[in-house]
Order: sequence, then structure tokens, then C-alpha cells
Amino acid sequence: SAVISQKPSRDICQRGTSLTIQCQVDSQVTMMFWYRQQPGQSLTLIATANQGSEATYESGFVIDKFPISRPNLTFSTLTVSNMSPEDSSIYLCSVQGARYEQYFGPGTRLTVT
Amino acid sequence: AQKITQTQPGMFVQEKEAVTLDCTYDTSDPSYGLFWYKQPSSGEMIFLIYQGSYDQQNATEGRYSLNFQKARKSANLVISASQLGDSAMYFCAMRPYSGSARQLTFGSGTQLTVLP
Repeated sequence: SAVISQKPSRDICQRGTSLTIQCQVDSQVTMMFWYRQQPGQSLTLIATANQGSEATYESGFVIDKFPISRPNLTFSTLTVSNMSPEDSSIYLCSVQGARYEQYFGPGTRLTVT
Repeated sequence: AQKITQTQPGMFVQEKEAVTLDCTYDTSDPSYGLFWYKQPSSGEMIFLIYQGSYDQQNATEGRYSLNFQKARKSANLVISASQLGDSAMYFCAMRPYSGSARQLTFGSGTQLTVLP
């Protein structure tokens, strides 16, 4: 199974600022996924990030708000820009395994005040 | 479009007993995978079990088994011999293997509490 790490594990930020979340995988993967989990809710896919191309965003998510970088096959970043309290969520990085499985990082717990 | 329905927001089970968490899904894709994840209060998503739509047998992983009824579009998770550490949120998810939208779609989750 893939081992995924995320930084930071949690943060408290002021509204109007930006936070960049890092995701590191211990093996090369083609696709990386970024999810958001708002308090008490299920997971929602933000975007899919392929190495060497622009990320593909889901309906309701835009690049200006959630810019994503994918510089190589083991690393990605998600930036939450111009934050508001509504952005308080757990942000999770995910990768697809060699066959069917999909693994998640430990998550970044963000609180915006 | 895919839809996952988990109708039990919360469930209680006595320690050492078995519990079934319900999951129904809706998809027009002929080929798909079904997943169950556990999310403890720490927030991490732990992969538990997978069932492919063409698999003939129900999947099992230790104390976890998936009761797959394709005609009814249900994929219930059965946890045998519950332990206190099983207390967590459980999510059912699905991914189609055809078409352009191949991401995981999650249900709303079931909060399981194991009682001593």
C-alpha cells in the first residue's frame, strides 16, 4: 500500500490569508486527488492532479481558489486561497494503488477564524 | 452520475457482537468498484474492503465482510465480533470503471459506537 504524508497536520489561519498543504507519496503515482471534508459531512472531490498537466477541478471548485501544483510523480500541493470560515475543513490527499485500491493521507485539519 | 446512500446516521452495537452497516448505490455503469472506509476521530481514512462488480464471491478481510447483492444494488458491510476500537465513522464509496468520471463518490457515512 502507498504511504502518504501531509503537511501541516493542522493549522489555524486568519480569514483572507492562504495556506499551502503538501502531500508526499512514497511511490510514483499517476493521479493524485484532493478532497475536502467539511465538519460533519462526507468527502467531496476538489480536483484530480496529473503530473505535467493542469489539474481537473470538480463542479463548484475553481483554480483561483484552490490552485494545485504537481511537479513530479510523488508530490503535490493544494493552496486554499483568501480563506473564509467556510473553508474550515479537513483536506485529504489521495492516490490510487496499483490495482483498484485508493489510499488517503492523514489529512490537514484547517480552522479559519 | 453515481449516488451512494447510507441510511443509518448512527448505529450502536454491543462489544463482541456483529453489526451490519447498510449501503445502497445507483449507477448506470456496467463495471464499478465498491469500497468501505473507516474514519476514526483522528480524521484519517482507512481503507477496509473492496468489491468489484463482476466478482462472484463476497469480499472478506479479517473481521470485515461485504454482503454484495448486485440486483438490489446494495453493498452492506458486516463487522463480526465488534471491538471498542471499531467505534468510528464508516463510509461506503463507489468508483465506475467506464466513462469519464472515474473518481470515488462517497456516501454520507454511518457513525458506529461499540458499547462495552
